[in-house]
Amino acid sequence: SAVISQKPSRDICQRGTSLTIQCQVDSQVTMMFWYRQQPGQSLTLIATANQGSEATYESGFVIDKFPISRPNLTFSTLTVSNMSPEDSSIYLCSVVGKATNEKLFFGSGTQLSVL
Amino acid sequence: DQQVKQNSPSLSVQEGRISILNCDYTNSMFDYFLWYKKYPAEGPTFLISISSIKDKNEDGRFTVFLNKSAKHLSLHIVPSQPGDSAVYFCAASAMDSNYQLIWGAGTKLIIKP
Repeated sequence: SAVISQKPSRDICQRGTSLTIQCQVDSQVTMMFWYRQQPGQSLTLIATANQGSEATYESGFVIDKFPISRPNLTFSTLTVSNMSPEDSSIYLCSVVGKATNEKLFFGSGTQLSVL
Repeated sequence: DQQVKQNSPSLSVQEGRISILNCDYTNSMFDYFLWYKKYPAEGPTFLISISSIKDKNEDGRFTVFLNKSAKHLSLHIVPSQPGDSAVYFCAASAMDSNYQLIWGAGTKLIIKP
């Protein structure tokens, strides 16, 4: 399976600021995704990070709030902009697993708390 | 509208006994189901999966059962071990869904010594 390094692992931020989360994969992957898990809830797909083009956002998520970069096949960033306490969540980077039955492989996540 | 539901937020089981985690879904187009396990401060890790053409898949101590008519699947862990204490997520996908999974809210499994 791919090894995913996600940074920072956790952060506490002030309302109105922005945080950029980095995701580095140890091998080239075609598909990379960003998920959010709000407290006590299921994982929700934010967007698919596309290499060399704009990310594809799911319903309810917009580029101005969650800008995403994907400059190459091993790296992506997600920025949470103009944060509010409602943005307090775990943010997860994921890639398609190498095994045919695995579907998705996840990084360790970023625990974000907004005060 | 929650398409994948895990109605038990938590479950406590004695070590050595069987743990049964349940998951219900509403979308009949789902044809592939997965279970992931998540420890605190870690990302979810893949555990086991099942295709809709099967009703059972086994991997060591873990067995997933699928009842398509009831739109229900369950994960059995036997015997349960302390290291099994984690949050378990059920996820589903439809054919040609481009790796997009629909997730349940998770069940926290606690294995008591």
